Amino acid sequence: EAQVTQNPRYLITVTGKKLTVTCSQNMNHEYMSWYRQDPGLGLRQIYYSMNVEVTDKGDVPEGYKVSRKEKRNFPLILESPSPNQTSLYFCASSFSGGAYEQYFGPGTRLTVT
Amino acid sequence: AQKVTQAQTEISVVEKEDVTLDCVYETRDTTYYLFWYKQPPSGELVFLIRRNSFDEQNEISGRYSWNFQKSTSSFNFTITASQVVDSAVYFCALVYGGSQGNLIFGKGTKLSVKP
Repeated sequence: EAQVTQNPRYLITVTGKKLTVTCSQNMNHEYMSWYRQDPGLGLRQIYYSMNVEVTDKGDVPEGYKVSRKEKRNFPLILESPSPNQTSLYFCASSFSGGAYEQYFGPGTRLTVT
Repeated sequence: AQKVTQAQTEISVVEKEDVTLDCVYETRDTTYYLFWYKQPPSGELVFLIRRNSFDEQNEISGRYSWNFQKSTSSFNFTITASQVVDSAVYFCALVYGGSQGNLIFGKGTKLSVKP
């Protein structure tokens, strides 16, 4: 089954404790992206990757890191999480670039206390 | 600046009513793509439609239709004879030619369809 998976689905952590949210797709998509969703703000793009080893900032990259060493994986790293990073995070992938239909993961709800 | 505005934060209708969700976009690029996504109460995000800037044809898919007008920078979404299952948050999004990786979403419109 074609899908985007994210782990963990739920995470409660404390300020400053490094964490990684994994994202994996099995569709051989070139493009992958991370978004955060906050009430009243909609979806905002954090980082995206056009292909392996090619990443770029979205609209809200501060406090996040990403890497794309393999085509299927695009982890999101929070080196020192803060409470304002409490949010619902979505990973997505598409065939080639953002101009194509995106397939979204199920979301990761992160709470930073 | 690139921007997507969904002015309607919440809309409530009674089943079988028609409803239109507005989307206004801003971009200086001549090449761009517009999307609609649906987020039902279960939380997943589902692709509905993609339209490129060179194709102004309106599209109909069952009870759903989309009206793309470059003259007013709008890409509106109409649901005909709404059903309870249409209750969801609907997002309009833009990706522009200058950066085909950077997607800009509107803030979403929450549609509630009451029986």
